[in-house]
Amino acid sequence: QQQVKQSPQSLIVQKGGISIINCAYENTAFDYFPWYQQFPGKGPALLIAIRPDVSEKKEGRFTISFNKSAKQFSLHIMDSQPGDSATYFCAASNQGGSEKLVFGKGTKLTVNP
Amino acid sequence: SQTIHQWPATLVQPVGSPLSLECTVEGTSNPNLYWYRQAAGRGLQLLFYSVGIGQISSEVPQNLSASRPQDRQFILSSKKLLLSDSGFYLCASATGNNQPQHFGDGTRLSIL
Repeated sequence: QQQVKQSPQSLIVQKGGISIINCAYENTAFDYFPWYQQFPGKGPALLIAIRPDVSEKKEGRFTISFNKSAKQFSLHIMDSQPGDSATYFCAASNQGGSEKLVFGKGTKLTVNP
Repeated sequence: SQTIHQWPATLVQPVGSPLSLECTVEGTSNPNLYWYRQAAGRGLQLLFYSVGIGQISSEVPQNLSASRPQDRQFILSSKKLLLSDSGFYLCASATGNNQPQHFGDGTRLSIL
């Protein structure tokens, strides 16, 4: 199965709150799990990525949690800010990311001031 | 670091007309190159990818084709556009194996 299932479809959070977006996959050959952030009219920008040899990766306010046995990974945005309002995509691939990326359908995050 | 250029940014074309979208990459050599299509409210669908000049793999049978005439140039084409070809077309580049993909800012294509 090549699908990556992403939820929720949309998310509204108050400024300072925690935003959590979840993804699940089926293909156990996937070994690279990036998150992309996309603003309207722009291409997706790589935000943070994780490989299955670690369970968590943190970069500033952004954290990926990875559960290999459950085949799930999630993005946590701490202290969410209005500037974080964007669409977030999870993705997965094998062979480290230069191979074909399979994307989730995206989560539109709105952070209210 | 690499920079991905796409043009035009927006394009309106009549049904049945031809198409040529161009993507060029700066700051790297021999990249892996990709064309994606993003439909409204949906994720990104991989259309084509290329690991070198003249080497194109097609992921989805469709009305489109791709070519890579130079190392850092990737072109998406169609001989006759369909209404269903409307969408946001994104080019991506990876500097090599085990490297992440980075995207250009896309071309929004509307078919009338």
